[in-house]
Amino acid sequence: DAGITQSPRHKVTETGTPVTLRCHQTENHRYMYWYRQDPGHGLRLIHYSYGVKDTDKGEVSDGYSVSRSKTEDFLLTLESATSSQTSVYFCAISESRERGNEQFFGPGTRLTVL
Amino acid sequence: QKEVEQDPGPLSVPEGAIVSLNCTYSNSAFQYFMWYRQYSRKGPELLMYTYSSGNKEDGRFTAQVDKSSKYISLFIRDSQPSDSATYLCAMRGGLYNNDMRFGAGTRLTVKP
Repeated sequence: DAGITQSPRHKVTETGTPVTLRCHQTENHRYMYWYRQDPGHGLRLIHYSYGVKDTDKGEVSDGYSVSRSKTEDFLLTLESATSSQTSVYFCAISESRERGNEQFFGPGTRLTVL
Repeated sequence: QKEVEQDPGPLSVPEGAIVSLNCTYSNSAFQYFMWYRQYSRKGPELLMYTYSSGNKEDGRFTAQVDKSSKYISLFIRDSQPSDSATYLCAMRGGLYNNDMRFGAGTRLTVKP
């Protein structure tokens, strides 16, 4: 497995509370991504980063913010969690343009917003 | 209408069967086509990728892309119980385009 860890792996929180998910990589890859996975929708890109302090929005960025202060860490923050943000969140990394710019995925974080 | 459509299944086949998984898409700008495999409670892993139209074979797996029909397929020959997983198609407009679009995934079960 690529050296990607996500924390926490499971979290239950209440509507309106802030939540931060962490992705940590040991591969020194330049690109990092946050996706959410929901039944019937597959994976959808939330935000991505192409370097330290360089980030951009994805397909479903509303209600989410990200930060990357170090190459190895990419944080996803839900400023005020809502029930619609209940999902499984995956972090991914990529570096090489080989194999179609292959992305390596972390183990996921299962978030439940009550 | 979603950009990428994939039948969610579930699909159940006996061991040794040939499996055909498919996706259709609407965005003619897509040029890179991928298939990811995802085991239960795990992250997806890249299985196959193809650039533009054509076929690509890797062991028991064959990926086909027909850009004229906006249709991609993944064939699994001599399917094994270890192939039981969810298969997601994915595609992007260019190599340097970070906005990859995924299908919803097809859950496959291969029965011994």
